[in-house]
Amino acid sequence: QQQVKQSPQSLIVQKGGISIINCAYENTAFDYFPWYQQFPGKGPALLIAIRPDVSEKKEGRFTISFNKSAKQFSLHIMDSQPGDSATYFCAASYYRTTSGTYKYIFGTGTRLKVLA
Amino acid sequence: EAQVTQNPRYLITVTGKKLTVTCSQNMNHEYMSWYRQDPGLGLRQIYYSMNVEVTDKGDVPEGYKVSRKEKRNFPLILESPSPNQTSLYFCASSLSSGTVYEQYFGPGTRLTVT
Repeated sequence: QQQVKQSPQSLIVQKGGISIINCAYENTAFDYFPWYQQFPGKGPALLIAIRPDVSEKKEGRFTISFNKSAKQFSLHIMDSQPGDSATYFCAASYYRTTSGTYKYIFGTGTRLKVLA
Repeated sequence: EAQVTQNPRYLITVTGKKLTVTCSQNMNHEYMSWYRQDPGLGLRQIYYSMNVEVTDKGDVPEGYKVSRKEKRNFPLILESPSPNQTSLYFCASSLSSGTVYEQYFGPGTRLTVT
């Protein structure tokens, strides 16, 4: 119930194409869903995040689509560029009343390669 | 520049030899956390700290220790490393833990235990 399942494990897209990464969860207590981007040799960095009260959030070429009833959310990268080649992690967060902290559960990551 | 720093970036050691990975942040963040990243497993939380002298276990705390004596520092201690602790480690910090603030990650420490 604590898992966040991410797919695909790897993705190859042509420059200008659309990259789509999917995540699914079970725990309905999750109330914050961020996506992280990680370049080789670097730590993850927050890319975009969404709360479950909206179905879509767009920031530039990056869009999160959120389906609360299906417990799924996805990252869409429009007009994918070689500079987008990185590993992407989805995550889900919920508030732990026992410790008064937010806990993050991460997906297993998707390695994206955008061909020039 | 606001950042989370980790040292060392790379470490090769032998089984049983105690080691410490340091983590420091310059953003006056209350919340700090350690994760390990393994292929196919994503990021898993080892320990976290809500503030000075307040720490708690994450999902995979066995074999690790932490301390938070100063707000900016959160070292990860492996008192008797074993090969199954070979991994990529990340320190992260955020302003607070009581709400969803952005987590800032350090550059990572790649540890190999032989």
